[in-house]
Amino acid sequence: DTAVSQTPKYLVTQMGNDKSIKCEQNLGHDTMYWYKQDSKKFLKIMFSYNNKELIINETVPNRFSPKSPDKAHLNLHINSLELGDSAVYFCASSQSDRRWDGYTFGSGTRLTVV
Amino acid sequence: AQTVTQSQPEMSVQEAETVTLSCTYDTSESDYYLFWYKQPPSRQMILVIRQEAYKQQNATENRFSVNFQKAAKSFSLKISDSQLGDAAMYFCAYRIGYAGGTSYGKLTFGQGTILTVHP
Repeated sequence: DTAVSQTPKYLVTQMGNDKSIKCEQNLGHDTMYWYKQDSKKFLKIMFSYNNKELIINETVPNRFSPKSPDKAHLNLHINSLELGDSAVYFCASSQSDRRWDGYTFGSGTRLTVV
Repeated sequence: AQTVTQSQPEMSVQEAETVTLSCTYDTSESDYYLFWYKQPPSRQMILVIRQEAYKQQNATENRFSVNFQKAAKSFSLKISDSQLGDAAMYFCAYRIGYAGGTSYGKLTFGQGTILTVHP
């Protein structure tokens, strides 16, 4: 009964490969997000979707493509992986009319590009 | 643009003592929310406490309390009776209070403070 689940938890891949990270939430939230946590632990938003519509795209390279097939799912596809893409990627969700609730986060996906 | 600053990269405290983590933010908005998140070594992000900007009363959750100074744009976290399980990275975060616009729903985080608890 995990609220926000991400798969996989760990991903090791070679430069140049294409990979996807999946995220699902069962909280009935209408908004989902992808955040990147770099090696210095800084958390920065990448994308947000509200009811399957892209709302925020924070100057992320176009090798990163989010896809939201429905409001419970937000996947992240990364093309032509680079060493600098190594990080922890967090999915999160929230309800737009309950902004005081903050986010519910997934457990993160540690991506290592070698 | 809103910014959040945590000026203490690391803090330490003895078990059972009290520690305060600092956070300042910059915004021109009057309606917003502030949060403290905890990230233990498991890397799970856990909401610790939240504060609504229009409420003057400081939020409290068991051993955790905040000192919210709206005019000074300061939002510090006090942990009383520190426990070993409090050891983690703590993030301060800001969220605009209204829906819509390019900041829709966005949480802006500070750089984090690593808290060590000594037995």
